[in-house]
Amino acid sequence: DSGVTQTPKHLITATGQRVTLRCSPRSGDLSVYWYQQSLDQGLQFLIQYYNGEERAKGNILERFSAQQFPDLHSELNLSSLELGDSALYFCASHGDRGLNTGELFFGEGSRLTVL
Amino acid sequence: AQSVAQPEDQVNVAEGNPLTVKCTYSVSGNPYLFWYVQYPNRGLQFLLKYITGDNLVKGSYGFEAEFNKSQTSFHLKKPSALVSDSALYFCAVRRDTGRRALTFGSGTRLQVQP
Repeated sequence: DSGVTQTPKHLITATGQRVTLRCSPRSGDLSVYWYQQSLDQGLQFLIQYYNGEERAKGNILERFSAQQFPDLHSELNLSSLELGDSALYFCASHGDRGLNTGELFFGEGSRLTVL
Repeated sequence: AQSVAQPEDQVNVAEGNPLTVKCTYSVSGNPYLFWYVQYPNRGLQFLLKYITGDNLVKGSYGFEAEFNKSQTSFHLKKPSALVSDSALYFCAVRRDTGRRALTFGSGTRLQVQP
């Protein structure tokens, strides 16, 4: 168990809909990363938050947005969903103390199926 | 920009034999390199990392990896494969400075036959 919690584990929805994925980082971790894993694109970095502030952006679509709340949990919002958005969405966190060498700790993922 | 190449989609090895999963990387500056493993319907689990120092790093479950700067490679190895090692393996890289998000390779499926 990595200590990173993601909900829901599975989600099935229709095209055009909007969903919210939730992540709680490991206790004490200030950073949250979102990744998308799909069959054709592999693991793609979407966005990073640090202590409530957006820190880095990757290949995140304009239809997607995220935020990190004061209690450090994060939500990834996916709107106007398309079939191609079907994927596993992972959240990760890392320790922020000490040297800047930490590996990422991943949650179990949220599997989104868009029909 | 940074990138990772895992040239083999799948590696097949017999139980008890040594295994190697290949990874090459491209990054400006000094690389931090990582290996992760993913079992079916699970998240990614950290195996090992190279930050600096000894080019041979040892990790979880008997895995090790060798950093080769001249060949920009970071191959994952294990002296004796187990059936339970069958999984999807990802190599990842980031620079030693700046953005901490990892860039992942496309993954290599390891199949260990009994």
